[in-house]
Amino acid sequence: GAVVSQHPSRVICKSGTSVKIECRSLDFQATTMFWYRQFPKQSLMLMATSNEGSKATYEQGVEKDKFLINHASLTLSTLTVTSAHPEDSSFYICSAQKLGTINEQYFGPGTRLTVT
Amino acid sequence: RKEVEQDPGPFNVPEGATVAFNCTYSNSASQSFFWYRQDCRKEPKLLMSVYSSGNEDGRFTAQLNRASQYISLLIRDSKLSDSATYLCVVTSGGGADGLTFGKGTHLIIQP
Repeated sequence: GAVVSQHPSRVICKSGTSVKIECRSLDFQATTMFWYRQFPKQSLMLMATSNEGSKATYEQGVEKDKFLINHASLTLSTLTVTSAHPEDSSFYICSAQKLGTINEQYFGPGTRLTVT
Repeated sequence: RKEVEQDPGPFNVPEGATVAFNCTYSNSASQSFFWYRQDCRKEPKLLMSVYSSGNEDGRFTAQLNRASQYISLLIRDSKLSDSATYLCVVTSGGGADGLTFGKGTHLIIQP
């Protein structure tokens, strides 16, 4: 199998606070994990690429100081949304590339963030 | 021009029918191609990779035309459980690259 978990599945926070989302590959190793965001009725948009042991690579328009990514091990990456604003409310999904495959990515179940 | 374009639908199709989706991509350097399926408010799940030679997996057939930058998905003998949004996905690199998603085509199979 290729199972990816995300925690929490749903979070509501107040404006100005920070929220951490965890992404874990449960039964495989992933040197590379990706973070996507999906607004209602929109396609998934890649935010950043996270490589184990190195700094994340952010897509154009994504603030690296606002969306902090840490990829501490071959099975865990975290995304911290700092000083959250209502416009950060979205569905955040991570994916993990299975080691040894070419672009075979498996997605976590997503985290629905609502900032009030 | 959007990087990956799909007809959003919805496609309303009777159970048992054959349905085809198309997708075009703008980046000629794209190297890997996939179809994902996404159910409402869930994460995308990989349906199949797409190769130039075409590939088939049960009732699903995918085709890639690099010259026209066009990808297709054919579903035969459609089932109610096929109702979902089908996402056309490309990536530009051969290594670890983020995926570029189309907005998806919404399919509704009717009994």
